[in-house]
Amino acid sequence: GEDVEQSLFLSVREGDSSVINCTYTDSSSTYLYWYKQEPGAGLQLLTYIFSNMDMKQDQRLTVLLNKKDKHLSLRIADTQTGDSAIYFCAETSDTGRRALTFGSGTRLQVQP
Amino acid sequence: GAVVSQHPSWVICKSGTSVKIECRSLDFQATTMFWYRQFPKQSLMLMATSNEGSKATYEQGVEKDKFLINHASLTLSTLTVTSAHPEDSSFYICSASDAGRGENSNQPQHFGDGTRLSIL
Repeated sequence: GEDVEQSLFLSVREGDSSVINCTYTDSSSTYLYWYKQEPGAGLQLLTYIFSNMDMKQDQRLTVLLNKKDKHLSLRIADTQTGDSAIYFCAETSDTGRRALTFGSGTRLQVQP
Repeated sequence: GAVVSQHPSWVICKSGTSVKIECRSLDFQATTMFWYRQFPKQSLMLMATSNEGSKATYEQGVEKDKFLINHASLTLSTLTVTSAHPEDSSFYICSASDAGRGENSNQPQHFGDGTRLSIL
């Protein structure tokens, strides 16, 4: 079955860049997502990328996709304390009809 | 953008009570909605796929008689936890996409804010 893996924890200093990595196994993955979850809250869609893209940039967020290695990364530039949260990588082959498979989540801690 | 609304946000009730959670797509129609469960400090696990006008599809290990799903309209799916017990305490989240009809096949899934269920 599908499997998505992430490192569990990342600590950075305020102002530095954060890079959160994700690997997946399903070669039919077409849509790859990054969600942010703050304590006690739901999931906030940050950005997503299609499998026919290599990179997507949206303000402070940059997503890189290496389809050959099935590796996805999220870079947050100029990380702020408000970025402290859990970041989930997720994938699906059909965004309308199939559920997402989530990674375990990476807890990002931003130190002042 | 697409918004998914989930109610209630927090429920505390006694063991044996049945609890209904609503998931609504506010500005789009969703033929398919998804229900997930999240335990503390863990990831989201798919419970079931809710299909408008037909029976839900449950994941292995999820009791369909315990977790009743109804998707009676294109904008509303409900999850009822029947005769809830402390082990059912969890965070339940629904999601939906505006891509179900293929016209907007690139639309991402959006999530409700979740329902925290605490059974005493």
